[in-house]
Amino acid sequence: AQTVTQSQPEMSVQEAETVTLSCTYDTSESDYYLFWYKQPPSRQMILVIRQEAYKQQNATENRFSVNFQKAAKSFSLKISDSQLGDAAMYFCAYGRGSRLTFGEGTQLTVNP
Amino acid sequence: SAVISQKPSRDICQRGTSLTIQCQVDSQVTMMFWYRQQPGQSLTLIATANQGSEATYESGFVIDKFPISRPNLTFSTLTVSNMSPEDSSIYLCSVLSGDSYNEQFFGPGTRLTVL
Repeated sequence: AQTVTQSQPEMSVQEAETVTLSCTYDTSESDYYLFWYKQPPSRQMILVIRQEAYKQQNATENRFSVNFQKAAKSFSLKISDSQLGDAAMYFCAYGRGSRLTFGEGTQLTVNP
Repeated sequence: SAVISQKPSRDICQRGTSLTIQCQVDSQVTMMFWYRQQPGQSLTLIATANQGSEATYESGFVIDKFPISRPNLTFSTLTVSNMSPEDSSIYLCSVLSGDSYNEQFFGPGTRLTVL
């Protein structure tokens, strides 16, 4: 079974600074997707960014980018120019077929 | 992306009772999912609900406890039956996107507290 590990239960960053959230996963498959979801206190799960495993180029969405290392099974999220609204729980997720497997989450605090 | 609503947004229930949670999507979708998020924890898939067929339950979840209906392509319900305090969680529904990325879009969740 696939597993997703987020080794940082909590992280903090100063406003306008950069922070990187770590994620590793375990799979024997070669074709899959990886996602980062954000869950603010409102509980709404919001898709931040996605990466297709067959693509070598790292995905980027505005201030959010990933470092995808397929051989190392690593998928970290970098948030640049952090804003107060980025404070949330961040979940890394592995997707194959219609199934998603989530990591345990990293609680991000943004300090003004 | 799909717009998903859930009712109720929160509820406080007594032990031994049942609660039905509704999930409504603004477009037709094939696959809908129900997740449980226990306090301070990650999301755990309860079941996958396809229209016109029985829901597929994950290990540790049974139909008698979590019956699911999927009467059409825009609506599903999850019932939490014979509740105990251990059922206190956030319950989220999600839908599979229509594109090729296999991403899921989530509803706002239902926060359930069982006394």
